[in-house]
Amino acid sequence: AQTVTQSQPEMSVQEAETVTLSCTYDTSENNYYLFWYKQPPSRQMILVIRQEAYKQQNATENRFSVNFQKAAKSFSLKISDSQLGDTAMYFCAFGAGNNRKLIWGLGTSLAVNP
Amino acid sequence: EAQVTQNPRYLITVTGKKLTVTCSQNMNHEYMSWYRQDPGLGLRQIYYSMNVEVTDKGDVPEGYKVSRKEKRNFPLILESPSPNQTSLYFCASSLTLAGLGETQYFGPGTRLLVL
Repeated sequence: AQTVTQSQPEMSVQEAETVTLSCTYDTSENNYYLFWYKQPPSRQMILVIRQEAYKQQNATENRFSVNFQKAAKSFSLKISDSQLGDTAMYFCAFGAGNNRKLIWGLGTSLAVNP
Repeated sequence: EAQVTQNPRYLITVTGKKLTVTCSQNMNHEYMSWYRQDPGLGLRQIYYSMNVEVTDKGDVPEGYKVSRKEKRNFPLILESPSPNQTSLYFCASSLTLAGLGETQYFGPGTRLLVL
């Protein structure tokens, strides 16, 4: 079975510092995609970044970047220059198969402190 | 503005009273899906639709129905709601069938309380 594990239920970081959120997954698929979604207090689910498994280059989106280690099945999210607006629940998700279903981790609650 | 909309956003109902949560997207997406989010369980897929008139069960379909008569709409129907269906519900859609990695865009969520 495909699973996604986020081992850090809660994290905190000081404003302007860097924080890394961990995610590991288990799959026998070779062609898949990985996503990080952010859920702020509004409960809206917002895409932060995505990574194609066939790409060796790590994805980056402004202050957000990933460290994708395919052999280790690891997909961590690094947030640089943390801002108060980054306070949210962060979910790692894995997508494969024709049904497009996303397998979700249980989330990491990130608090950015002033 | 490209978006997925859900209505209602909040709903309190009683056991057994049929209800429908609407979902609509204006991005001409083929794929649509319903998830429920529960504490400690994360997000789980209820039903999905690959295209008009094509729907299939996700991981937790019991107690739910869906239909896809039009490309833009994908309503979720609870024929006889029960308290264990109290949850936060999300509708999502994505662009094409061409690639597995198409980003899913989410609606704002519907918080349902069944008494």
